[in-house]
Amino acid sequence: DADVTQTPRNRITKTGKRIMLECSQTKGHDRMYWYRQDPGLGLRLIYYSFDVKDINKGEISDGYSVSRQAQAKFSLSLESAIPNQTALYFCATGTESGANVLTFGAGSRLTVL
Amino acid sequence: DQQVKQNSPSLSVQEGRISILNCDYTNSMFDYFLWYKKYPAEGPTFLISISSIKDKNEDGRFTVFLNKSAKHLSLHIVPSQPGDSAVYFCAASPGSNYKLTFGKGTLLTVNP
Repeated sequence: DADVTQTPRNRITKTGKRIMLECSQTKGHDRMYWYRQDPGLGLRLIYYSFDVKDINKGEISDGYSVSRQAQAKFSLSLESAIPNQTALYFCATGTESGANVLTFGAGSRLTVL
Repeated sequence: DQQVKQNSPSLSVQEGRISILNCDYTNSMFDYFLWYKKYPAEGPTFLISISSIKDKNEDGRFTVFLNKSAKHLSLHIVPSQPGDSAVYFCAASPGSNYKLTFGKGTLLTVNP
């Protein structure tokens, strides 16, 4: 099994729908992140959490929310999806001592019609 | 404002030759730099890092060079292999445990 598992891997939805992307990890890492990748824009940070009680906005948090249900679980929600949220979403984990060596999931491709 | 810039969207090299991927940054607070590699349908994976107290770090075929005065780093792959074909992301942070800022990536193609 993968160290960082993202579900669903692919999702097509319609404008206005609520969507949740889930991430679970078996690394035992405290830190979890959600990134978004768009063609030509690289990876941009949406939200991050350094422990279960810690949630922080990244550079593009508008339109998104997150929940850290447990150390191993970090979910990303789109309350009302819009077409420009069509992207590839990555969850990642890390540790305080890990010097930004992150472990990424395989990605969740979201298409909003 | 793009703080980490990878100005070459793509690079093509012959197998066995050197690949040089470049990255520039604008934030003078950045002092820790990493390269990640990404294959299609997979998440990025960590490749190599360098702290600003060094100007070079080597790991097998991969070497990262840092020029702090020019705010420039480069990744050298010698010799290049077809399996190195991937997107390479440069990333930077102000310290080794602060959130990363990524560049847009460079697609490297190594031709047999």
